[in-house]
Amino acid sequence: GQQLNQSPQSMFIQEGEDVSMNCTSSSIFNTWLWYKQDPGEGPVLLIALYKAGELTSNGRLTAQFGITRKDSFLNISASIPSDVGIYFCAGPSGGYQKVTFGIGTKLQVIP
Amino acid sequence: AAGVIQSPRHLIKEKRETATLKCYPIPRHDTVYWYQQGPGQDPQFLISFYEKMQSDKGSIPDRFSAQQFSDYHSELNMSSLELGDSALYFCASSTDNYGYTFGSGTRLTVV
Repeated sequence: GQQLNQSPQSMFIQEGEDVSMNCTSSSIFNTWLWYKQDPGEGPVLLIALYKAGELTSNGRLTAQFGITRKDSFLNISASIPSDVGIYFCAGPSGGYQKVTFGIGTKLQVIP
Repeated sequence: AAGVIQSPRHLIKEKRETATLKCYPIPRHDTVYWYQQGPGQDPQFLISFYEKMQSDKGSIPDRFSAQQFSDYHSELNMSSLELGDSALYFCASSTDNYGYTFGSGTRLTVV
């Protein structure tokens, strides 16, 4: 099945710094999704990308759908303490709207 | 806005017991998904339903079953529980794209 490689797996950054994380796939995706999960809660959709080359922003978050359709990245600018959490990339994995998740990037922000 | 409602939030069961998890999707969402997330793991797809019919099946043990009812709520039934079934179980719903909305999950602990 589809495999998603997400990196880095964890990061510690200072408050105010910018963050970048990326996701690569073993096959072509038509959709890329980025989710954030707080401890004990369900993942929350941050950004959805539907077109190769698409660059989409949501506040301080920016995500891009790679031209090759096999990768995507998520940037967070001027990080704040509430950015702490696990960020998952996800994409379709066959079947009716079934989605596969990457292993996640655990972000820690040091005040 | 209404979200995906899951109940119970926490559940403790003994080995070999049975558990039933409930999910109430967002109104007018026609697809429901169940995911299992072990400690430190990414969510793993179990099963999904579209318009009350099973639409896809993932790595769901034979001891588990699920269904979607006429009011679109869904239940995940888990029998002969094992210690390894301890996890967060998420339900998500969507309409016609991959942008799921997740519930807050049910934390199942098998002792």
